[in-house]
Amino acid sequence: GESVGLHLPTLSVQEGDNSIINCAYSNSASDYFIWYKQESGKGPQFIIDIRSNMDKRQGQRVTVLLNKTVKHLSLQIAATQPGDSAVYFCAEGFSGSARQLTFGSGTQLTVLP
Amino acid sequence: GAVVSQHPSWVICKSGTSVKIECRSLDFQATTMFWYRQFPKQSLMLMATSNEGSKATYEQGVEKDKFLINHASLTLSTLTVTSAHPEDSSFYICSARMTSLSYNEQFFGPGTRLTVL
Repeated sequence: GESVGLHLPTLSVQEGDNSIINCAYSNSASDYFIWYKQESGKGPQFIIDIRSNMDKRQGQRVTVLLNKTVKHLSLQIAATQPGDSAVYFCAEGFSGSARQLTFGSGTQLTVLP
Repeated sequence: GAVVSQHPSWVICKSGTSVKIECRSLDFQATTMFWYRQFPKQSLMLMATSNEGSKATYEQGVEKDKFLINHASLTLSTLTVTSAHPEDSSFYICSARMTSLSYNEQFFGPGTRLTVL
């Protein structure tokens, strides 16, 4: 389910360093996972997704790792840039389904100059 | 492709009035759209699932008579906040699921900031 009423965890990194954002998901039956980036005052923006038949997927400067054993998802951002500062949400759901996604509580990433 | 728009982007209204928010999929058909509400520094809270041509499915605790949802076409869903009160002030975000996709990726709108005075 969704985490309501919690303050966002924060992560501060130096520009140029790598960032790792973690997420614990709740439903072991979920087979589709997405990372979203949300800048202040805007809607979530798709970053990368992964299905449960994979444990790693790479995009441009981003990598998602999935550990189904412990229901853990992580997003790695290489060479973090100031434009990466945002709130990052993981979401879990079911492929091939119109059912809703369930969002994690989010992590505020701040990139320091 | 896969752009979702919302209108208005922000609205200020008096307590007791009704506000309509539109969500449009601009370049794809969306059988299913979702409405979320987001309070500051919190995650997205799903309010309801809107299916074209049928009644919306509301999440527990969301008043369907207060938050009216209409999904009259494959590209448009509307959320009407009736008799708005200050506690309804929030960021409302819609998303649309592309009908043709075999997996559950949702495309999000830019959000609507509602402020009720």
